Amino acid sequence: DAMVIQNPRYQVTQFGKPVTLSCSQTLNHNVMYWYQQKSSQAPKLLFHYYDKDFNNEADTPDNFQSRRPNTSFCFLDIRSPGLGDAAMYLCATSTRTQQETQYFGPGTRLLVL
Amino acid sequence: AQSVTQPDIHITVSEGASLELRCNYSYGATPYLFWYVQSPGQGLQLLLKYFSGDTLVQGIKGFEAEFKRSQSSFNLRKPSVHWSDAAEYFCAVGALRGWGKFQFGAGTQVVVTP
Repeated sequence: DAMVIQNPRYQVTQFGKPVTLSCSQTLNHNVMYWYQQKSSQAPKLLFHYYDKDFNNEADTPDNFQSRRPNTSFCFLDIRSPGLGDAAMYLCATSTRTQQETQYFGPGTRLLVL
Repeated sequence: AQSVTQPDIHITVSEGASLELRCNYSYGATPYLFWYVQSPGQGLQLLLKYFSGDTLVQGIKGFEAEFKRSQSSFNLRKPSVHWSDAAEYFCAVGALRGWGKFQFGAGTQVVVTP
């Protein structure tokens, strides 16, 4: 089945220690998104890629970076995680022409100690 | 700027009973409206969307939603809930058709009792 996969499902890191979350997709979609969802809050878009074109949201902290080496994979790098970065991180994909229909992965829950 | 309000943080409903989740939006132009569901431990799944035309929209899993411009609302309904409908439901508004940026509401947690 075509799908969006996120690894790991749970990630524990230490305050200030860089961490990378990964997302892969078998849908062959052009667009990939990263969202941050804190407890009991709505998902918040961090950035997205149209193919290799990176689009950062204005209020996404510089601490958050992303890489997309190919169509299938996208990574979220948090350079120096703070306690406030503990959240669920959701990856999603869509086609370029139907970006309102996004396919989400199960998310990675990040804990910062 | 667009915004979305889901007045109910938490709803408990008996299995087999009807369900209605409220969503109010604020947007100056024609809104594009969505309902997503997030089951425990899962990502979000699109239930339905409204762009234009018929104000009653049918979605997956037996859900429907009605767009009421005069009330700035887009409420989600299901006539008879199943235990598997226990989840968090997010209403979202988008500015442009085909565009992937939404303003999500804070969500409504639905608990289904036997």
